[in-house]
Amino acid sequence: AQTVTQSQPEMSVQEAETVTLSCTYDTSESNYYLFWYKQPPSRQMILVIRQEAYKQQNATENRFSVNFQKAAKSFSLKISDSQLGDTAMYFCAFMKGYSGGSNYKLTFGKGTLLTVNP
Amino acid sequence: DTGVSQDPRHKITKRGQNVTFRCDPISEHNRLYWYRQTLGQGPEFLTYFQNEAQLEKSRLLSDRFSAERPKGSFSTLEIQRTEQGDSAMYLCASSQEPGAQEQYFGPGTRLTVT
Repeated sequence: AQTVTQSQPEMSVQEAETVTLSCTYDTSESNYYLFWYKQPPSRQMILVIRQEAYKQQNATENRFSVNFQKAAKSFSLKISDSQLGDTAMYFCAFMKGYSGGSNYKLTFGKGTLLTVNP
Repeated sequence: DTGVSQDPRHKITKRGQNVTFRCDPISEHNRLYWYRQTLGQGPEFLTYFQNEAQLEKSRLLSDRFSAERPKGSFSTLEIQRTEQGDSAMYLCASSQEPGAQEQYFGPGTRLTVT
């Protein structure tokens, strides 16, 4: 079974600064995907960024980038130029790849509550 | 809006009552997932459908829970004889094969059992 650990229950950052959220995972699979989802207060969860395990290059989406360290089973999210609208709960999630007989279900961490202060 | 929708958004019920939630996925998506999220936790997988077939159920899904997706479109999740421990946010997500990695989530149904 896969596990996802987010060791920072809460973090805060000043507007326009950079913040990094941590995530580690445990799996014996070689083919998998990793995701960061954002859940704003009272709003639905949306995908921020995803990483395929077979890709060495770190994924980037505008102000969001990841540091994927496969050997260390680490997957951190960096948010640059933080904005007030980035205030949300952030979840790291794991998905087994197809070759592992995947049903494509997501295994989530407990989340990190990020507050961006003006 | 062609996103995933869920109804109702909030449900308060008394212990022992039955409740049913509905999820309408994005129309061309053939995979549909149910997750449960309790306070301070990440969502936990409950079950998933590919078209109308229910292909996996988590051990979290006790025999009081049943889910259906009769025509491969919308899905219902029913909880019979609700207990206070069932209080949670129930999330629905959908995705499309191929490239089924990205799941699109609905707003959730918040259940409170009193």
